Amino acid sequence: AQSVTQPDIHITVSEGASLELRCNYSYGATPYLFWYVQSPGQGLQLLLKYFSGDTLVQGIKGFEAEFKRSQSSFNLRKPSVHWSDAAEYFCAVGALPGGGNKLTFGTGTQLKVEL
Amino acid sequence: NAGVTQTPKFRVLKTGQSMTLLCAQDMNHEYMYWYRQDPGMGLRLIHYSVGEGTTAKGEVPDGYNVSRLKKQNFLLGLESAAPSQTSVYFCASSYRTSGGTDTQYFGPGTRLTVL
Repeated sequence: AQSVTQPDIHITVSEGASLELRCNYSYGATPYLFWYVQSPGQGLQLLLKYFSGDTLVQGIKGFEAEFKRSQSSFNLRKPSVHWSDAAEYFCAVGALPGGGNKLTFGTGTQLKVEL
Repeated sequence: NAGVTQTPKFRVLKTGQSMTLLCAQDMNHEYMYWYRQDPGMGLRLIHYSVGEGTTAKGEVPDGYNVSRLKKQNFLLGLESAAPSQTSVYFCASSYRTSGGTDTQYFGPGTRLTVL
């Protein structure tokens, strides 16, 4: 069965500093990987996704993520964090085609930005 | 274009009461999903549907029922609410592309409290 681990429950960074959120997955085949962001009281918004091809994926709001098969990782990065980036971030892995597009989510990383 | 909408936004139930949560999408998506979100556990799939008239169980289906009578609507029912069902419920929808897993679009959530 597929699974996702986000080892950091909380992360605090200063505004303008760089950010890296970790995500490790367990899956038996080529994974479909996603990063979502959830602002307080809101639903989830897709930041970026990886299906195949270039292992460095660009997303919205200046975020990027790199797929590393050898490390089973899909870490999210941003070179300079803005106060508005404070939110909860979820990594997810998708099922194979025909599997109903089901997603398995990690437990999330809460990002706090210090001004 | 409203995307994915959920009704109601908040609800308080007493143990043993029943209720139905409504999800509607106007994107002509084939697939729809119900998740619950609990602190420290991320999102867990309750039930999902791959088309009108079809439903399937997800990771945590016990105590819930669903129906997909119309393509644009996906209903989640609690027949006899229990305090363990206190949670935030999210609906999502997606296309089914030939390439595999597609992006899921999320509603704003329903916060349910069972006393």
